[in-house]
Amino acid sequence: DAGVTQSPTHLIKTRGQQVTLRCSPKSGHDTVSWYQQALGQGPQFIFQYYEEEERQRGNFPDRFSGHQFPNYSSELNVNALLLGDSALYLCASRYRDSTEAFFGQGTRLTVV
Amino acid sequence: AQKITQTQPGMFVQEKEAVTLDCTYDTSDPSYGLFWYKQPSSGEMIFLIYQGSYDQQNATEGRYSLNFQKARKSANLVISASQLGDSAMYFCAMREDAGNMLTFGGGTRLMVKP
Repeated sequence: DAGVTQSPTHLIKTRGQQVTLRCSPKSGHDTVSWYQQALGQGPQFIFQYYEEEERQRGNFPDRFSGHQFPNYSSELNVNALLLGDSALYLCASRYRDSTEAFFGQGTRLTVV
Repeated sequence: AQKITQTQPGMFVQEKEAVTLDCTYDTSDPSYGLFWYKQPSSGEMIFLIYQGSYDQQNATEGRYSLNFQKARKSANLVISASQLGDSAMYFCAMREDAGNMLTFGGGTRLMVKP
C-alpha cells in the first residue's frame, strides 16, 4: 500500500516564475492538506482540500492556490515566486476527520 | 489562536537512556488533539503518538509515551531506551477539533550518542 507520494522531490525555480507541486494521498484518504516548512522551522498550514473544495486556509497570500481532483490527488500552485518561498512543501492526507494524518516526503523548492 | 512552544532547540541523550522532549500549548478550544511527529533528514513527518484533550490516561505507543498535564497545558514526549535511529527532529503539534489544521512547534533536534 503506497503512502502519500509527492512529486517532484526537488525543484529549482527562478524568482517570478510559477511552480506546480503534486500530491497523491494514501489509498482510501480523501482529505489533503499542504504545509510549508522553511529551513529550521516547523511546518505551517497552507490549506486543506476535501471533496474538491478548499475547506480551510492558513495565512498565505493568494499567490498560493490549489486544486483537488476527483481521484483525491492534489496540486499546489505558487505564482510569482519569491526567494522567501524556498522551503520544503509537505502534503498530508487523512480519511475525512480521522485522527492521524500521513505525510509525504515533501518537495524541496529552491527559488534563485 | 492556538500556539505550540518547544523550548529545547537541541538535546543530547546517551544510547539506551530515556529522554523527555518538552511541549507547551495554548488554545481556547476545550476539545483538541496533541500530536508528536518525528522528522528524519529525509523530510517525511512520521506520526509517533496522539493524545486527545478528554483522554483520561496518558497515551503510550511502544517506547513513546506522552506526559499530558492538562492544567499546565503541557504534552511532553518521553522516549525510553533511546536508539541511534531516534536521532532526528521532533515536532509537537495540535489540532483543535473545530478546525482542520495542525499547528506545529519549532521542533527539537534530538541527537543520540553511542
